[in-house]
Amino acid sequence: RKEVEQDPGPFNVPEGATVAFNCTYSNSASQSFFWYRQDCRKEPKLLMSVYSSGNEDGRFTAQLNRASQYISLLIRDSKLSDSATYLCVVNKGSARQLTFGSGTQLTVLP
Amino acid sequence: NAGVMQNPRHLVRRRGQEARLRCSPMKGHSHVYWYRQLPEEGLKFMVYLQKENIIDESGMPKERFSAEFPKEGPSILRIQQVVRGDSAAYFCASSLQGADYGYTFGSGTRLTVV
Repeated sequence: RKEVEQDPGPFNVPEGATVAFNCTYSNSASQSFFWYRQDCRKEPKLLMSVYSSGNEDGRFTAQLNRASQYISLLIRDSKLSDSATYLCVVNKGSARQLTFGSGTQLTVLP
Repeated sequence: NAGVMQNPRHLVRRRGQEARLRCSPMKGHSHVYWYRQLPEEGLKFMVYLQKENIIDESGMPKERFSAEFPKEGPSILRIQQVVRGDSAAYFCASSLQGADYGYTFGSGTRLTVV
């Protein structure tokens, strides 16, 4: 089983749509969780951290369910500029390094 | 405040040559991480270093690959006797306090082995 699993997509949605990405992780000792975005042939960039109580940053909402080892990202009112690959990222319990999912590709269509 | 600087951006090597990839972390960051991204695949951890120490090299191939982060100067990822399968994007990241708060990536070095 992969340490971090994501639906690879692709997700093709119209502008203004709401889209949700899911992610599961296998290490119950994981302590820190993040969503990164990666544009084609560019470096990954931190989108937001994910907290146990859930957190929101503008149109983006992240949720964490520790019991189910499940993380989600909700994007409301999608923009063309949201088109990218979204990476679910988990810190191993040892805190030595981050483990990246393979990513979910999103294309927002005009 | 410059971000994580990697060079070169693109590197072409013939099979059997050596590749040297450099990474200067963000100012004040002492934790450096190297990741590899093969075409159409996800990011794979290679090595985690602090100044003059390799902390975790569990993702490094056993042969031909080495990394260092000297007291002075950038971190270096060295690949000896490159093969076609080494063609990939190599990303370096740095952090202030380990991985708990995420890290910042450089723009990567794209290695092509011909």
